[in-house]
Amino acid sequence: DTAVSQTPKYLVTQMGNDKSIKCEQNLGHDTMYWYKQDSKKFLKIMFSYNNKELIINETVPNRFSPKSPDKAHLNLHINSLELGDSAVYFCASSQIRLRGETQYFGPGTRLLVL
Amino acid sequence: SQQGEEDPQALSIQEGENATMNCSYKTSINNLQWYRQNSGRGLVHLILIRSNEREKHSGRLRVTLDTSKKSSSLLITASRAADTASYFCATALQGGSEKLVFGKGTKLTVNP
Repeated sequence: DTAVSQTPKYLVTQMGNDKSIKCEQNLGHDTMYWYKQDSKKFLKIMFSYNNKELIINETVPNRFSPKSPDKAHLNLHINSLELGDSAVYFCASSQIRLRGETQYFGPGTRLLVL
Repeated sequence: SQQGEEDPQALSIQEGENATMNCSYKTSINNLQWYRQNSGRGLVHLILIRSNEREKHSGRLRVTLDTSKKSSSLLITASRAADTASYFCATALQGGSEKLVFGKGTKLTVNP
């Protein structure tokens, strides 16, 4: 009965590979997000989708491509992984498209690029 | 530069003591939220205070907001070892998009 789930929890891969992270929420929320948390714990938004429509894209390299097959899922595909992509990636969701609505976070995916 | 800045960066106290963390921000906001992150976990929402509110309570948590000073504080009373975590403030910008802008967090350690 996990509210926001992510897979995998850990991802270790070589530079240049392509990888995907999946996110699912069972809260019935309309809006989903991807965040990146760096080694200094700084959390920065990457993307936001509302009902499968991209609404926020925060100057993320185009190697990162989010995909939302339905409003309960938001996946993140990363091409040509680089060392600097190593971080913890969090998925989150919120109930409705209001400014600053409370967000519910997944447990995170720890990505290590070697 | 980021919107929210927490202070202090780290705080270590004894169980039973109160913990106060501060957050300053730069631009006008719709609301300000506090989140907790336990080590190796996702963020958990604690409390939301709107720009027209000055104080809010939730259990042992007390949040204040001073929009004239562009600052907020989070007070945890009678702290417990289980309160050990990082605490982040997040601001929803006035006239901005749906996004929240997070600060770097305060790492709180409560020693038993």
